[in-house]
Amino acid sequence: QAQLLESGPGLVKPSETLSLTCTVSGDSISNYYWSWIRQSPEKGLEWLANIYHSGSTDYNPSLESRVTISVDTSKNQFSLSLSSVTAADTAVYYCARLQTPGYFDYWGQGALVTVSS
Amino acid sequence: DIQMTQSPSSLSAFVGDRVTIACRASQNIRNYLSWYQQKPGKAPKLLIYSASSLQSGVPSRFSGSGSGTDFTLTITSLQPEDFATYYCCQYSFGTPWTFGRGTKVEVK
Repeated sequence: QAQLLESGPGLVKPSETLSLTCTVSGDSISNYYWSWIRQSPEKGLEWLANIYHSGSTDYNPSLESRVTISVDTSKNQFSLSLSSVTAADTAVYYCARLQTPGYFDYWGQGALVTVSS
Repeated sequence: DIQMTQSPSSLSAFVGDRVTIACRASQNIRNYLSWYQQKPGKAPKLLIYSASSLQSGVPSRFSGSGSGTDFTLTITSLQPEDFATYYCCQYSFGTPWTFGRGTKVEVK
């Protein structure tokens, strides 16, 4: 079964770019869509973006101007970048596998990212 | 965006109780609904997809029903390990995925 693990800095300064990577094991990243979701007390669970191994992407319109998702099939990884962060972007960020027609069947353990100077 | 409203926001129950959690969508999502269980400090876990399909490995005491705008998650006999927060999520084509705010199931 698939295992997902998020990695990246736990602290990001305001106005900078948050970058996270999800490493997938036990499954080929080329077989599915993959997603980023975040959770905060203020907004609850919030879907951010999806990517397919071909590079096809979907973004949450509320964040689309700041979010980029990318995939590296050679490393079986996909990544998230969120620019111009503010304290409102402080959250636990999860990567997940997106199963057709649209549910998340495997999740990473989550990575807490705090935006603070 | 499609809004997902869960009720109640929290409930207290005994082990062995039947528990029902409701989720209402702000527009018709057919059966494009999933349910997740989350325990403190852990990632959400998929329980139900396509409104009523039980994810592999999930105990049969969990069931889902509904279509259109009204959905229900039922736990037929609550077990100690079921005390957690439950979320619904819609995935209607062409719209952003959106989650409910959660229902916390606590021990009575």
